[in-house]
Amino acid sequence: ETGVTQTPRHLVMGMTNKKSLKCEQHLGHNAMYWYKQSAKKPLELMFVYNFKEQTENNSVPSRFSPECPNSSHLFLHLHTLQPEDSALYLCASSRDGTRGPDTQYFGPGTRLTVL
Amino acid sequence: AQTVTQSQPEMSVQEAETVTLSCTYDTSESDYYLFWYKQPPSRQMILVIRQEAYKQQNATENRFSVNFQKAAKSFSLKISDSQLGDAAMYFCAYRDLIQGAQKLVFGQGTRLTINP
Repeated sequence: ETGVTQTPRHLVMGMTNKKSLKCEQHLGHNAMYWYKQSAKKPLELMFVYNFKEQTENNSVPSRFSPECPNSSHLFLHLHTLQPEDSALYLCASSRDGTRGPDTQYFGPGTRLTVL
Repeated sequence: AQTVTQSQPEMSVQEAETVTLSCTYDTSESDYYLFWYKQPPSRQMILVIRQEAYKQQNATENRFSVNFQKAAKSFSLKISDSQLGDAAMYFCAYRDLIQGAQKLVFGQGTRLTINP
């Protein structure tokens, strides 16, 4: 279970802070994803990158800013968050998000608490 | 828009017995993929099984099998000989076959408890 790693695993931040979540995949994949998992709600896709290009932005507020410098790394920059943004943020990767069954492999997540 | 519904928020089963988790979905597409993912308490989501809609044969992976009813848009997961390690949240997910489509749509999840 070390194919997709995420740091930090836990993060507590105030509404005025700026922080970043990091995801790294060691699987040689070309597609990477950010999901938000809130209590009692289905996983929500936030962003998709395929070959470093953003291909999906699921109407995510601008206080979440993704960055994908290469196919192995994905960041989620956070600023002026709201308490309702507290959730588990999951990163995933897949071989090629544009074709085939393309199984997604997930990281362990970052548990974010916004005070 | 596609939707996925898991109507059982929680299920429990005795160890070594069989349990079936339900999933229904809504789509106007004829070709697509369906998945069951497992999220143990340690939180890392892993794939359990997947099904291509154009294949009539139900997928199986060891103790895990699906009952895919395309006309009814139903995709249930059967776990045979349940083990303590099967305790987890189980998510059903849907994905279009359309080239370029990368979106996985998840259900709300079913929490499975295994009673020793």
